[in-house]
Amino acid sequence: QTVVTQEPSLTVSPGGTVTLTCASSTGAVTYGSYPNWLQQKPGQPPRTLIYSTTNKHSWTPARFSGSLLGGKAALTLSGVQPEDEADYYCLLYSGGAHVFGGGTKLTVL
Amino acid sequence: DVQLVQSGAEVRKPGDSLKISCQGSGYKFTTYWIAWVRQMPGKGLEWVGMIYAGDSETRVSPSYQGQVTLSVDTSISTATLQWNSLKASDSGMYYCVRLFGGKELDLWGQGTLVTVSS
Repeated sequence: QTVVTQEPSLTVSPGGTVTLTCASSTGAVTYGSYPNWLQQKPGQPPRTLIYSTTNKHSWTPARFSGSLLGGKAALTLSGVQPEDEADYYCLLYSGGAHVFGGGTKLTVL
Repeated sequence: DVQLVQSGAEVRKPGDSLKISCQGSGYKFTTYWIAWVRQMPGKGLEWVGMIYAGDSETRVSPSYQGQVTLSVDTSISTATLQWNSLKASDSGMYYCVRLFGGKELDLWGQGTLVTVSS
C-alpha cells in the first residue's frame, strides 16, 4: 500500500508565498498520479482546489497553483490571505488505488 | 445548482445495520463516479471506495473490503454506503465526493456523521 507524505505543518506570513508538497513511497509523483489538492477548514467538508496536477476549478482562487517539483506534487500559494489558514490534503492515484496524504496544517501568522 | 446532499447524522449500536446516502442534483448522475471518504475526529481523510453511477462498477479500498457495500439507485440519483454489522471503529464523518474520469475530484457532499456506540 502506497504511503503519501505531506509536511505536517507550515507557517506563512500574510502576503507571503508557501509551497506544500506531496511525496509517494513508491517513487516520483508523475502526471499519471493525477494529484488532487483539497482544502479543509474546521467544521467544513473538504473543497477540491486542484485536480490532475495543475488544473483549477472555477471556484479556486488564482493564488493557488499546482505543479510537479523534484519528484513530488506541489501546491503553491502566492500572496497568502488570512482565510487560507486550513488543512490541505493531497490525493494520489497509485497502483490502481487512491491514497490521501496525512495533510498539512497551514498557519497564517 | 450542482450539488451532492447527504443524509443526516446516525447513531447506532454495534452489530446494527446502516445505510447512508448521497443524492446528486443539477447534473447527469450516471456520467460520474461517486467516492466515499471517511474522517475520524481530528484526523485525516481516508479513501473508502468509489462507484460509477453509470454501471455500478465498484472499487473498494483494501482496508474496507468486506466491511462496506457501495450501491447506486439511478432512478433517484443517489449513491449509498451500507454496513451490515457496524463496529464502534466504523464511527466517523463520511463524505461523498464526485469524480470525473475516475481520478479527478470536484464536488463534495456536506458529510454524514456516523456514531456507533453501545
